Amino acid sequence: AQSVTQPDIHITVSEGASLELRCNYSYGATPYLFWYVQSPGQGLQLLLKYFSGDTLVQGIKGFEAEFKRSQSSFNLRKPSVHWSDAAEYFCAVGTSGGYNKLIFGAGTRLAVHP
Amino acid sequence: GAGVSQSPSNKVTEKGKDVELRCDPISGHTALYWYRQSLGQGLEFLIYFQGNSAPDKSGLPSDRFSAERTGGSVSTLTIQRTQQEDSAVYLCASSFSSGNSNQPQHFGDGTRLSIL
Repeated sequence: AQSVTQPDIHITVSEGASLELRCNYSYGATPYLFWYVQSPGQGLQLLLKYFSGDTLVQGIKGFEAEFKRSQSSFNLRKPSVHWSDAAEYFCAVGTSGGYNKLIFGAGTRLAVHP
Repeated sequence: GAGVSQSPSNKVTEKGKDVELRCDPISGHTALYWYRQSLGQGLEFLIYFQGNSAPDKSGLPSDRFSAERTGGSVSTLTIQRTQQEDSAVYLCASSFSSGNSNQPQHFGDGTRLSIL
């Protein structure tokens, strides 16, 4: 069965520091992978997606993620975190079959210290 | 343009009552999804619509839950005889549809449902 693991429930970083959020997936075929961000009281905003091709994908707000098939990972990175990046981040795998049922990880809550 | 719109944004109701949650997708999006976000279960898929039909309703937790979509646009999620475990945020998402599944979903802000 498909699954997504985000090992870190909470992460705290200082403003200006680099960030890496981990995501591991389990999926039989080539996965469609996504990172979403959720601010309090808001829905999910798509940061970036991987479907095929270049394994390093760029997203909005300065985020990037790297797909590593050998490690079944799709980690999210940002070189310098801003206080406004404090939010919850969800990694998701999209199932194949003509539509895109998303299987989400449990999320990582990011706190940013000034 | 307008995003996915959900109403109400908050709903408080008594156990045993029926509730209806509404989703208005982005214009032109033929695919529509409902998800539930709760403390204990995280984000879970409930149902997928393509046009007015629901080829995948595998995530609906019980027969108290139903959903419909009319005119290929607005969708309503109905929960009958609500229970306290139904308390959650119900999120709707829509996307363009194609023969493959690489169309990203756009989410609404959700309906926060609280069952007293």
